[in-house]
Amino acid sequence: DAKTTQPPSMDCAEGRAANLPCNHSTISGNEYVYWYRQIHSQGPQYIIHGLKNNETNEMASLIITEDRKSSTLILPHATLRDTAVYYCIVRAFSGTYKYIFGTGTRLKVLA
Amino acid sequence: EAQVTQNPRYLITVTGKKLTVTCSQNMNHEYMSWYRQDPGLGLRQIYYSMNVEVTDKGDVPEGYKVSRKEKRNFPLILESPSPNQTSLYFCASSMTTPSGELFFGEGSRLTVL
Repeated sequence: DAKTTQPPSMDCAEGRAANLPCNHSTISGNEYVYWYRQIHSQGPQYIIHGLKNNETNEMASLIITEDRKSSTLILPHATLRDTAVYYCIVRAFSGTYKYIFGTGTRLKVLA
Repeated sequence: EAQVTQNPRYLITVTGKKLTVTCSQNMNHEYMSWYRQDPGLGLRQIYYSMNVEVTDKGDVPEGYKVSRKEKRNFPLILESPSPNQTSLYFCASSMTTPSGELFFGEGSRLTVL
């Protein structure tokens, strides 16, 4: 199962884009990349996911490198409410599911 | 409203006193899972279930039991709780499709004295 590596913490100025990197160098061809965030001790919240192509939704964009060994979550205009721990996860779609969470990146958006 | 509901949200108990944390989802999801979260260790999977009567161990199953008798419910059972099971617990569910996102409950904070 692929594992992910993320920087433990990052700061971002309010209104600027937050770019959160994730390394998943051992990812397999059928494994999706998911991003979640956790505000304080609430249940993690889904942000976005992708397999090969870049994806965008109302919350964020996901950029996956061509070799799929890394990805970047982009919050285009970070607000104070985006302060949270962000988890990059890979998930295999096979006979069983295994969502492998790392320790995430603690993003602090500064006023 | 689509949701995953856990109960209790907070519990203080003593070593050895059996307890059950319930989890229920209203989205007709096949997949359900339990995680524990401890400071500095992120989220670790305890058990998961692909469907009714199908359960399997995650990364940290010792000291826990689960059952999946109905599709909507996936209770976590601590037969003889110990202080090292003091943690924040999350239940989650998803569809078993390539794009099935995980929906999480709000968490259950358990303290074992």
